[in-house]
Amino acid sequence: NAGVTQTPKFRVLKTGQSMTLLCAQDMNHEYMYWYRQDPGMGLRLIHYSVGEGTTAKGEVPDGYNVSRLKKQNFLLGLESAAPSQTSVYFCASSQQISGNTIYFGEGSWLTVV
Amino acid sequence: GQQLNQSPQSMFIQEGEDVSMNCTSSSIFNTWLWYKQEPGEGPVLLIALYKAGELTSNGRLTAQFGITRKDSFLNISASIPSDVGIYFCAGQERPMDSNYQLIWGAGTKLIIKP
Repeated sequence: NAGVTQTPKFRVLKTGQSMTLLCAQDMNHEYMYWYRQDPGMGLRLIHYSVGEGTTAKGEVPDGYNVSRLKKQNFLLGLESAAPSQTSVYFCASSQQISGNTIYFGEGSWLTVV
Repeated sequence: GQQLNQSPQSMFIQEGEDVSMNCTSSSIFNTWLWYKQEPGEGPVLLIALYKAGELTSNGRLTAQFGITRKDSFLNISASIPSDVGIYFCAGQERPMDSNYQLIWGAGTKLIIKP
């Protein structure tokens, strides 16, 4: 009963390092999303994908890149991590582009020092 | 980017009390959603609303789509310890089948006093 799985769950990075967060969903969903959650800010959309091979910018895309080479996977990359990217990152997926079918992963806690 | 104004930020209540929270927007929404997030987990959908004036229940939870289409309310009756968590509202300005972005409130943290 996996649903949406994110790895890693926790990571500490030094400023300037790079890393990739992996999201995998086993529900055959077309749409996938990466959000970041900061205290008092709710969820903000970083990038999203409407299908395999496609990506689009969300509300806060700067400093991040994404790829959707396979339908079930959506990767979020940080090329040069900055302390402002310390956050909790959530991946989500949905069959339709509507909020009532969106499923979230458990989150990835990233600290940049 | 636009954010929803969600209040209160946090609530400290006694078990058995009723809870009310709300979200307001400066623009008209076509969809209102309410999610709950528990520690260490992602948000989970509680109630979805699609029409102005709509009132929908999910057990002890009731949510309403405001008639101005700029606000929504969530009520929890007779709270129990497992209601603890952060409740988020989210809204969508455009019809569901168009290019979309969900806009999120900052959350209401519910704490139940023993």
